[in-house]
Amino acid sequence: AQTVTQSQPEMSVQEAETVTLSCTYDTSENNYYLFWYKQPPSRQMILVIRQEAYKQQNATENRFSVNFQKAAKSFSLKISDSQLGDTAMYFCAFSSGIQGAQKLVFGQGTRLTINP
Amino acid sequence: SQTIHQWPATLVQPVGSPLSLECTVEGTSNPNLYWYRQAAGRGLQLLFYSVGIGQISSEVPQNLSASRPQDRQFILSSKKLLLSDSGFYLCAWNPGTVGNTIYFGEGSWLTVV
Repeated sequence: AQTVTQSQPEMSVQEAETVTLSCTYDTSENNYYLFWYKQPPSRQMILVIRQEAYKQQNATENRFSVNFQKAAKSFSLKISDSQLGDTAMYFCAFSSGIQGAQKLVFGQGTRLTINP
Repeated sequence: SQTIHQWPATLVQPVGSPLSLECTVEGTSNPNLYWYRQAAGRGLQLLFYSVGIGQISSEVPQNLSASRPQDRQFILSSKKLLLSDSGFYLCAWNPGTVGNTIYFGEGSWLTVV
């Protein structure tokens, strides 16, 4: 079974700093997808960034980028120029297909606080 | 554009009472639909998924059931709630192709008392 591990339960940085959230996963599959979701206090899950395992190039979305190391099964999220609005729980998730659908397996989350 | 709506947003139910959470998706057809649960301070756990009307797959044996009476409607139910059913429930959808991003609704807070 696939598992996702986020080893940092909580992190705190000053506004405008860069922060990196760690994620490792375990799978025997070769084709899969990785995601970072953000859950602000409103509790709605918001997609931050996604990575296809077959792509070697790391995904970027504005201030958010990933460091995808397939051999090491590592998928870290870097937030540059952090903003107060980045304060949230961040979940790393692994996805593979199941009978035409898609199963997301989540890590336990990292609570990120951006301080003014 | 596609949107997903989920209701009610919060509810407090006594032990032994029934439950019905409803979710609808707009702006797409034949989506994959999902119900996830998030216990306090933890990640999300997949409960049910559906790839079509009347097609329901369960990931975790439990006191809950799901139904999909229409293409874009997904319902989570229980005949008799347990205290352990308390949590945050999220409906989600994605296009019916493996690899597509899953998008979540606003969630429903359920407290069983």
